[in-house]
Amino acid sequence: EPEVTQTPSHQVTQMGQEVILRCVPISNHLYFYWYRQILGQKVEFLVSFYNNEISEKSEIFDDQFSVERPDGSNFTLKIRSTKLEDSAMYFCASSEAYQEAFFGQGTRLTVV
Amino acid sequence: QQQVKQSPQSLIVQKGGISIINCAYENTAFDYFPWYQQFPGKGPALLIAIRPDVSEKKEGRFTISFNKSAKQFSLHIMDSQPGDSATYFCAAFTYSSASKIIFGSGTRLSIRP
Repeated sequence: EPEVTQTPSHQVTQMGQEVILRCVPISNHLYFYWYRQILGQKVEFLVSFYNNEISEKSEIFDDQFSVERPDGSNFTLKIRSTKLEDSAMYFCASSEAYQEAFFGQGTRLTVV
Repeated sequence: QQQVKQSPQSLIVQKGGISIINCAYENTAFDYFPWYQQFPGKGPALLIAIRPDVSEKKEGRFTISFNKSAKQFSLHIMDSQPGDSATYFCAAFTYSSASKIIFGSGTRLSIRP
């Protein structure tokens, strides 16, 4: 069964460092998303991406964040200068048009 | 208003009982209402979903009831099993170039053997 894959599963980084979280969406999907979940809390929308551009972003997705689809298969989330409060699980998701979204297993980001 | 309100925050049900989780929304532009199941350390997994033109959808032990006029929907888990113990999120989704999924706050379900 096709699935969304994310790497790495766990990333530890120093405060102020840049991190790149990687995702391979399901191959025929057109919409891509990043969400985050701080431990024990709700899943929060960060950004959606369609047709090679950001279609919507939340107030969390400030200038420190960026997304990119560098090739036909990968979808990345970059955090330029990490803060302690960026520690969370980051989930990538993808969907076909007018269909439900499927989530990856997540990357646990720990900022120290 | 983009919120989806979910209750209860936590729920304990005896094995074999019925688990019921409720959600309410305000934005009538939502096109699709999925429920996600999440186990610790895992991503949300799609469980069942419904469109607003349908009042009920059943898949195995899982049923969504949808009340469009009240802008409410609920998940019923029949014959609840210990393996159903997880966090459940209701969500609402819009189909558009600006599509995104809005999640409820989650319900931590525990099924007692």
